[in-house]
Amino acid sequence: DAGVIQSPRHEVTEMGQEVTLRCKPISGHNSLFWYRQTMMRGLELLIYFNNNVPIDDSGMPEDRFSAKMPNASFSTLKIQPSEPRDSAVYFCASSIGQGTNTEAFFGQGTRLTVV
Amino acid sequence: GENVEQHPSTLSVQEGDSAVIKCTYSDSASNYFPWYKQELGKRPQLIIDIRSNVGEKKDQRIAVTLNKTAKHFSLHITETQPEDSAVYFCAAAAGGFKTIFGAGTRLFVKA
Repeated sequence: DAGVIQSPRHEVTEMGQEVTLRCKPISGHNSLFWYRQTMMRGLELLIYFNNNVPIDDSGMPEDRFSAKMPNASFSTLKIQPSEPRDSAVYFCASSIGQGTNTEAFFGQGTRLTVV
Repeated sequence: GENVEQHPSTLSVQEGDSAVIKCTYSDSASNYFPWYKQELGKRPQLIIDIRSNVGEKKDQRIAVTLNKTAKHFSLHITETQPEDSAVYFCAAAAGGFKTIFGAGTRLFVKA
């Protein structure tokens, strides 16, 4: 298995534009997490899904952020409109999560720069 | 909700010395405590984890301890090497798979 796959690896966009980040979890994993990493705030949990259903989105900073998981092998995190303060590295992670907490495997991350 | 505090934020040790990183958590329902290592420009990767029914776990030069009563857990690295230099994150997870991370500790191992 190639692990958790995220795209793009780098994204530079202008303020006000829509940004879509993509994630393919490890096959067989039923929990998926989106994290944002900045120097100031560290690793923040934005939202997580279990069996494709959003369980907790309390970490989503604003209505400009939305996430979907239409099927077990794909998730998106969308920012619309983007702002410079959204610049960060966004990680997707997945875990087996069958009745107990287990290791979360992280993707390579998407480095987002909003200018 | 869960809140994880991690100390110190930066730690510098001489090669061969030990390094200790400490974390506290707030949610008594947390039952899983992983530790991740993140090298510069790379993704966080699990190095060791401990569950609430265990007080200590060791894997070669790395050990973790958990005190459920006090709600704190620690990472111990012995005989540190330059390749141990990285950012280390503790985390805590309760039922429902929600893993909350500490702020991270940047470890420098001087050769």
